[in-house]
Amino acid sequence: DTEVTQTPKHLVMGMTNKKSLKCEQHMGHRAMYWYKQKAKKPPELMFVYSYEKLSINESVPSRFSPECPNSSLLNLHLHALQPEDSALYLCASSRTSGYTKETQYFGPGTRLLVL
Amino acid sequence: AQSVTQPDIHITVSEGASLELRCNYSYGATPYLFWYVQSPGQGLQLLLKYFSGDTLVQGIKGFEAEFKRSQSSFNLRKPSVHWSDAAEYFCAVGPEYGNKLVFGAGTILRVKS
Repeated sequence: DTEVTQTPKHLVMGMTNKKSLKCEQHMGHRAMYWYKQKAKKPPELMFVYSYEKLSINESVPSRFSPECPNSSLLNLHLHALQPEDSALYLCASSRTSGYTKETQYFGPGTRLLVL
Repeated sequence: AQSVTQPDIHITVSEGASLELRCNYSYGATPYLFWYVQSPGQGLQLLLKYFSGDTLVQGIKGFEAEFKRSQSSFNLRKPSVHWSDAAEYFCAVGPEYGNKLVFGAGTILRVKS
């Protein structure tokens, strides 16, 4: 089973709201990723967690705050977003990260609209 | 720096016709390569990958891809396209070490009946 789940599927929020995106995998993977994908563009890496520690932050604004409470769960906390942050947010996981060739498996994404 | 080029933004093929989607990469060492497919509003599904060994790799849904080091290419093929193959296809390259995939811009496939 190579399933990554994401909730919610859709999210509409105002610029003053606080919301969270959730991602889960039960494949025993120890690396998890957040990507942002704008319409008609490829995914852009935001964050990488390796063994529950943040290993890569691609200079993402602080209004995006990732959290990895355990090896199966990855959250993305959102606060004071801008309309240009509207996008599809994809979560991915891989067996490990950094030292070997790994395959990333993606979830279905959360479609975020910021009003 | 690594880069991936998918020269075709859109491709239209007739149902039942063969398909080839092009992917060229720029990478100094031995890359590892992926093809993902994305239906509208959905996540990315892994079609196939090349890490090493046999340069012709088979994937899901009847797709295959051939790694050609001399041409820095990893083209995706399917002998007979079905209407359900209409989607966007992304080629991606990964480094020898690390986990930062570099994606191509994507190719949108349209299938006409």
